[in-house]
Amino acid sequence: QKEVEQDPGPLSVPEGAIVSLNCTYSNSAFQYFMWYRQYSRKGPELLMYTYSSGNKEDGRFTAQVDKSSKYISLFIRDSQPSDSATYLCAMSALSNNNDMRFGAGTRLTVKP
Amino acid sequence: NAGVTQTPKFQVLKTGQSMTLQCAQDMNHNSMYWYRQDPGMGLRLIYYSASEGTTDKGEVPNGYNVSRLNKREFSLRLESAAPSQTSVYFCASDPRTGNRQWANTIYFGEGSWLTVV
Repeated sequence: QKEVEQDPGPLSVPEGAIVSLNCTYSNSAFQYFMWYRQYSRKGPELLMYTYSSGNKEDGRFTAQVDKSSKYISLFIRDSQPSDSATYLCAMSALSNNNDMRFGAGTRLTVKP
Repeated sequence: NAGVTQTPKFQVLKTGQSMTLQCAQDMNHNSMYWYRQDPGMGLRLIYYSASEGTTDKGEVPNGYNVSRLNKREFSLRLESAAPSQTSVYFCASDPRTGNRQWANTIYFGEGSWLTVV
């Protein structure tokens, strides 16, 4: 079993839809949770990060962490064609924050 | 505004050949990383360097060596390439100085596509 599980999709939605992306994990030591966006043939870019449980909102993006269920989510409101990319979840433990573990990534397409 | 620069961008190697992937950052960051990305596997950490002069193994270090040449540069070497090392390699950097710190500004390069035949 992988340490971080993420549905690879692909996921296709119409413009304006609410998108929900999710990851589950098995290592209870993970404390830092991140979402990266990766456009085709580009490097990942950090989109959002949270520490421990709770919600964080940034514009159209909301990240949620439920440590009791070992489940994290990224919601995108009013999705735009420019949001079409692969979204990667990542997480790390306080004891070794340099060693991030990534999900496989979910490919999202937002159709105009 | 270069950020993290990787070379080469594309490379084809024969099994058993050696090569070095170069990475340089111009942001005065302390920590640098090498990841590989494979379909269905996500990004996996090969090696990292928390500061100049130090390197540590990540999740998948076998078959690789690294050198933190100075604060700017972190190279990844394949001594005897194998088809299993066909992948996309990403270098990254952030300003942390220790593994118990948190950085919210992690920058990746654009990737190096390596094929081993």
